[in-house]
Amino acid sequence: KQEVTQIPAALSVPEGENLVLNCSFTDSAIYNLQWFRQDPGKGLTSLLLIQSSQREQTSGRLNASLDKSSGRSTLYIAASQPGDSATYLCAVTSGTYKYIFGTGTRLKVLA
Amino acid sequence: EPEVTQTPSHQVTQMGQEVILRCVPISNHLYFYWYRQILGQKVEFLVSFYNNEISEKSEIFDDQFSVERPDGSNFTLKIRSTKLEDSAMYFCASLPELLTGELFFGEGSRLTVL
Repeated sequence: KQEVTQIPAALSVPEGENLVLNCSFTDSAIYNLQWFRQDPGKGLTSLLLIQSSQREQTSGRLNASLDKSSGRSTLYIAASQPGDSATYLCAVTSGTYKYIFGTGTRLKVLA
Repeated sequence: EPEVTQTPSHQVTQMGQEVILRCVPISNHLYFYWYRQILGQKVEFLVSFYNNEISEKSEIFDDQFSVERPDGSNFTLKIRSTKLEDSAMYFCASLPELLTGELFFGEGSRLTVL
C-alpha cells in the first residue's frame, strides 16, 4: 500500500531564503508525482507535474526533482516571499486511478 | 484558463439528511474524482469515475455515498444519510488522461453536519 510522507510538517523561514521541501513514498513504481499548493480554506493549486520518465520540472522560482529508485521528491523554492506561505502537498499515482497525498508541509515566510 | 467549479461552497445540514455536492469538471477531461479533507488532516481519495462508471473507490466510500454524471457536464457526490464524521471539505478533481495528465482541483465544498 502506497504511503506518502512529507518532511518537515511545518517550516518558518525569513523572506529571501531558499528552501527545500521533501516528499517520500514507499512504492517506487509510480507514474506521476504532482506538487500542489493549498491556501487555508481553499482548494489545491497544481504547481508542478513530474511524469515517471522525467527527473525534474521547473516553473519560475520552483524546481521539483524526482528520484523514483529512492522513493523521493524535493520541491525547491528559490528566494522565498511572504506570498509563498501556504501548505505544500505532494501526491503520487501508481497507475491506478487515484492519487495518494502526503501529509503536507505548512510553510510560513516571514517578511 | 479552464477550471473545475464546485457548488455549494458551504453547506450546513442536520445529521441524517441527504446532501448533494455538485461539480463541473474541465470540459475535455475524462477522469473525475472526489476527495475529502477533514479539518487538519490529509487529503483522502474517495472515488474515481471514468466512462460513466466508478473505476475505483476507497474504503471510505461506503453505501452511503454515490456518484453520478447526470449530463455531459455535471458530476455529483451524494451522501444519503449524513453523519457527524462526514463534516469535511469535499474536493472535486478532473484529469485529461490517466498516465500523463495533470490533476486539477476545484475550490471545494465545505460540509458541516450538525
